Amino acid sequence: GDSVTQMEGPVTLSEEAFLTINCTYTATGYPSLFWYVQYPGEGLQLLLKATKADDKGSNKGFEATYRKETTSFHLEKGSVQVSDSAVYFCALRGGGGADGLTFGKGTHLIIQP
Amino acid sequence: DGGITQSPKYLFRKEGQNVTLSCEQNLNHDAMYWYRQDPGQGLRLIYYSQIVNDFQKGDIAEGYSVSREKKESFPLTVTSAQKNPTAFYLCASSMLTLASNQPQHFGDGTRLSIL
Repeated sequence: GDSVTQMEGPVTLSEEAFLTINCTYTATGYPSLFWYVQYPGEGLQLLLKATKADDKGSNKGFEATYRKETTSFHLEKGSVQVSDSAVYFCALRGGGGADGLTFGKGTHLIIQP
Repeated sequence: DGGITQSPKYLFRKEGQNVTLSCEQNLNHDAMYWYRQDPGQGLRLIYYSQIVNDFQKGDIAEGYSVSREKKESFPLTVTSAQKNPTAFYLCASSMLTLASNQPQHFGDGTRLSIL
């Protein structure tokens, strides 16, 4: 079946540092890929998405590129802020679109001033 | 504003009791989903529904039941058969297309605890 693997957390960085959160996936066909962010006590918010190979999703300074050759969708940001502290989930949705998302276990990001 | 409303935000269950979590959406989405979130486990799919009066089991459906009598509503019942119900429950919805590119939109969740 489909699966998503994310780097383990927590990841602790200083403000203005460069961020990378690794995500790799296993899926049949041509899935769409997503990054969601969860702030404490809240639901998930869509951060960005990519629907085909070599697509780059971007939002709020975050970027991720759909790499089919390496089955990866790493999340990056050039300069993080304290307000970026949250849990980040990588997810995929397989072909057909009707089923639920397959999530990674999440990466807790802590940004220190 | 369009969105997904889950209630209550916190819920407590006694042993042997069934409890129902509410999920309402006004996004006119056809598909709705229930996920369970445990610490360090990510989200796991409980049930989903693509159309009124039809729903499918997800990966961890045992001990749960759902109904879909209206397009806007997809309540989840945690039954007494669910032996470890303490978790954060998230409801989501999405447009239903043949493509996989539609994201899911999430509510703010219900935290269920055992008394």
